[in-house]
Amino acid sequence: SQQGEEDPQALSIQEGENATMNCSYKTSINNLQWYRQNSGRGLVHLILIRSNEREKHSGRLRVTLDTSKKSSSLLITASRAADTASYFCATDAGSGGSNYKLTFGKGTLLTVNP
Amino acid sequence: SAVISQKPSRDICQRGTSLTIQCQVDSQVTMMFWYRQQPGQSLTLIATANQGSEATYESGFVIDKFPISRPNLTFSTLTVSNMSPEDSSIYLCSGLYNDGYTFGSGTRLTVV
Repeated sequence: SQQGEEDPQALSIQEGENATMNCSYKTSINNLQWYRQNSGRGLVHLILIRSNEREKHSGRLRVTLDTSKKSSSLLITASRAADTASYFCATDAGSGGSNYKLTFGKGTLLTVNP
Repeated sequence: SAVISQKPSRDICQRGTSLTIQCQVDSQVTMMFWYRQQPGQSLTLIATANQGSEATYESGFVIDKFPISRPNLTFSTLTVSNMSPEDSSIYLCSGLYNDGYTFGSGTRLTVV
């Protein structure tokens, strides 16, 4: 079954605004990652946050992780039209073997209007 | 980071035929995976490709439909067999290496 659930499913904002996407998961994790996908192409890794971390920044991206609520958020600040894409969270349980496989959320389609 | 070359990037196939998708990694990865992404949906893991042995399939996916090979640490193939329109999806391979995961650019398959 799908591990992560993103909301909103679709988000439309104006250029310059901030975009916040949320992800929830069901079981214990080792890492949570966010990926971006443009028009059904390959996935681009954005950021990884480990289970013992609460917040991480990378450029205009800010990720938070709340393991007690089994949820994460991705904030994109000062959005640009080029940020238009689908965003997915993915989790892995780590610690060897099949735990390394990623389980993806349903994704959020972000549209940034110029 | 490791880079995966995946081909073909897209194909249109007749129902009842088979298509083999290839992924070549430019460096060794410890694990390789195959995912399916149906239209408008998220990624679903098909199987873990094991070097020199049978792949480990997820629930709902079987070897007869999706045979997978991984003859060495840098190469894997996925075959979509006896295709039907329901197999129209994007198929992606992924590799796990020391610093994380990398993905191929995907194969967009349309079955007519």
